[in-house]
Amino acid sequence: NAGVMQNPRHLVRRRGQEARLRCSPMKGHSHVYWYRQLPEEGLKFMVYLQKENIIDESGMPKERFSAEFPKEGPSILRIQQVVRGDSAAYFCASSPGRTSKPQHFGDGTRLSIL
Amino acid sequence: AQTVTQSQPEMSVQEAETVTLSCTYDTSESDYYLFWYKQPPSRQMILVIRQEAYKQQNATENRFSVNFQKAAKSFSLKISDSQLGDAAMYFCAYRSPSKSGGGADGLTFGKGTHLIIQP
Repeated sequence: NAGVMQNPRHLVRRRGQEARLRCSPMKGHSHVYWYRQLPEEGLKFMVYLQKENIIDESGMPKERFSAEFPKEGPSILRIQQVVRGDSAAYFCASSPGRTSKPQHFGDGTRLSIL
Repeated sequence: AQTVTQSQPEMSVQEAETVTLSCTYDTSESDYYLFWYKQPPSRQMILVIRQEAYKQQNATENRFSVNFQKAAKSFSLKISDSQLGDAAMYFCAYRSPSKSGGGADGLTFGKGTHLIIQP
């Protein structure tokens, strides 16, 4: 069984460009979570999505950041007009949705802003 | 809001010895879930062990066990017979049951403990 797939593994952008990070959940999982990990820090929750719905975006910056999980295709985390402070590892996790089941993480996307 | 505190930025243990990593959390909820995740240098996030708050019995997974003290809001991880492959960052995480969507809310992580294994 394929795990949570994230791509790209590494993404380099210049300040002002857009970054798109993709996440395909595990088979059978309909719930997706995005987290950000700054250097030397733990992961910080950003957003929780189900198919075509944002359930909780309380951890997402109000500007420049958006997320979607369309009916078909992967979940996308989009960062517009990137700045140096956006440099981080972005992790996606998925779960089948039942509260007793843990989240399974992808390998992350390391975003570097030049 | 829930908070998770890991007071040990770094711990070191001799190979084959036992080490305990500390975690405390703050919550007003009575039902929740606790997890330990391992992040090796490859930066994957690997689930080590989990505990449901309603269960009094401490979870165990092979060499890994927890000491869950609900009243004290403490959730420590014990690694027995430490191996070189255990070297990693260890993160304690909290999750409450979802209030919406039928799923579960996002995890709240501690800042992590860097575990060093001395050969």
